[in-house]
Parts: sequence; C-alpha cells; structure tokens
Amino acid sequence: KQEVTQIPAALSVPEGENLVLNCSFTDSAIYNLQWFRQDPGKGLTSLLLIQSSQREQTSGRLNASLDKSSGRSTLYIAASQPGDSATYLCAVISSNTGKLIFGQGTTLQVKP
Amino acid sequence: DAGVIQSPRHEVTEMGQEVTLRCKPISGHDYLFWYRQTMMRGLELLIYFNNNVPIDDSGMPEDRFSAKMPNASFSTLKIQPSEPRDSAVYFCASSLGPQGGSPLHFGNGTRLTVT
Repeated sequence: KQEVTQIPAALSVPEGENLVLNCSFTDSAIYNLQWFRQDPGKGLTSLLLIQSSQREQTSGRLNASLDKSSGRSTLYIAASQPGDSATYLCAVISSNTGKLIFGQGTTLQVKP
Repeated sequence: DAGVIQSPRHEVTEMGQEVTLRCKPISGHDYLFWYRQTMMRGLELLIYFNNNVPIDDSGMPEDRFSAKMPNASFSTLKIQPSEPRDSAVYFCASSLGPQGGSPLHFGNGTRLTVT
C-alpha cells in the first residue's frame, strides 16, 4: 500500500530564506508526483507536476525534484515571502491503483 | 472561468439528517472527484466520475454515502443519515484527464459539521 509522508509537519522561517520541503513515498511504482498549495479555508492549487521519467520541474521561485528509486521528492522555495505562507501537500499517482495519494502536508509560515 | 464551484460553503446539521453537497465542475473537464479532508486522515478520495459515469467508488466509507452526476455540469454527494464522524471538509475537483494526468482544480470545499 502506497504511503506518502511529509516532514516536517510545520515550518517557520524568516522572510528571504531559501527552504526545502520533503516528501517521501513507500512504493516507487508511480506515474507522477504533484505538489499542491492549500491556503486556509480554500481548496488546493496545483503548483508543479513531475512525470515519473523526469527529475525536476521549475516554476518561478519553486523547484521540485524527484528521485523515484529512493522514493523522495523535495520542493525548494527560493527567497521566501510572507505570501508563501500556506500548507504544501505532495501527492503521487500509484501505478497499481491509478489513485492520487496525498501526504499530510507541511504548514509553512514565513515571517516578515 | 469561475473555477470549480461548491455549495454550501458551510453546513451544520444534526445527527440523522440528510445532507446534500453540490458541485459544478469547470466546463469541459471530463473528470470529477470528491475528496474528504480531516485532520486525522488527511485527504481521501471518495469517488470519481468520467463523462458523468462513476468509475471508482471504493473510497466511499459506507452505504450512507452516495454520489451522482446527472450531467456534465453538476454533481451531488449525499449523506443519509449523517453522523458526527462525517464532520469534515468535502472537496470537489475536476480535471481534463485522469488523476495526475492533468492538473486537478479544486473547489473551496464544504465544511460539514454534524452535531
């Protein structure tokens, strides 16, 4: 059974810092991995999608990497801003079930 | 595009009552998903539709839950009778392709409280 874990559960950093959020998954048989952002009281917004054959994807200040063999992904946020404060979730599509399995998320606070 | 629209935003009801949650997906999206989010279990897929047909309902917790999609622009998730453990935020999402094949677009959710 695929399980997705995100560490840490919460993170607080001063504005301007570069930071890394971690995601690990137990079954390397995945189609792709996605990173989402969730603001309080809102739904999820898709940030980056990495296909299983890719190693990384970039969008603006965000860079996501994927190491399928080790079951790990990281989301790198450069020059963090207070507006980046949100919960970040990773999710994988299991090749066996075709279902999107979510981690519990990392809640990020960027202090001005 | 108004995005995925869910109603109501908040629902408070008493145990035993019927609850109906509504969703309007993004026009042109062939896939519609219902998720439930709780602190304990995170985000769980309940059911998804392709072209209005239910494809996988294995996540529906029990027979008290049912979902329909009578047309491409409307879906409902019904709980009858509701129980306090059903309290959660219920999200509807839609996409052009299967899960993960194209980005999921989420609604803002319905926060359900069953007392």
